[in-house]
Amino acid sequence: DVKVTQSSRYLVKRTGEKVFLECVQDMDHENMFWYRQDPGLGLRLIYFSYDVKMKEKGDIPEGYSVSREKKERFSLILESASTNQTSMYLCASSETGLETQYFGPGTRLLVL
Amino acid sequence: DQQVKQNSPSLSVQEGRISILNCDYTNSMFDYFLWYKKYPAEGPTFLISISSIKDKNEDGRFTVFLNKSAKHLSLHIVPSQPGDSAVYFCAGDSGGGADGLTFGKGTHLIIQP
Repeated sequence: DVKVTQSSRYLVKRTGEKVFLECVQDMDHENMFWYRQDPGLGLRLIYFSYDVKMKEKGDIPEGYSVSREKKERFSLILESASTNQTSMYLCASSETGLETQYFGPGTRLLVL
Repeated sequence: DQQVKQNSPSLSVQEGRISILNCDYTNSMFDYFLWYKKYPAEGPTFLISISSIKDKNEDGRFTVFLNKSAKHLSLHIVPSQPGDSAVYFCAGDSGGGADGLTFGKGTHLIIQP
């Protein structure tokens, strides 16, 4: 069974703070993804990575950065959190050549 | 530019009847489609998928139909059960899985007892 874990289920931060969201997968997947989910907007891709130290921008990368130092771990960084980054953040992973992505439980971030 | 559209934000169906969730897409490069189910405060769970070379894929109570000429797919759930109440997301892929999925906005399915 694929397991994708996220470091926090709920997080409250203040505007301007630096925020780290961690994601770990245990299936040796090459591909990892960060999405955010907002009501009425579905899931939108922020960043993805197809290998260690590789990263690609998704559809809404502004205000975010990522880090992939190890294959199993993909971090999302909010350099200076803003209220419009209040959202549900979802991490996913997949095997190379396969489309099915497996999601973590999500981190609900509130920026005050 | 919405490449994947789920035009019904919500759908209410009686228990035991058929639930039909619809999805339209505009990107001709999509060659694989997936349906995910999501409960509140949980991550999406993969449900069923279909390759563009097929027009139907079935898995137990779930069947996905693809009409390429109409750029339309639908998810059928028969019979609907209370545990099926969730938000369903349709997603398209064009990059062999390497560059992220494009999701619709979701349809909230409510199964009435």
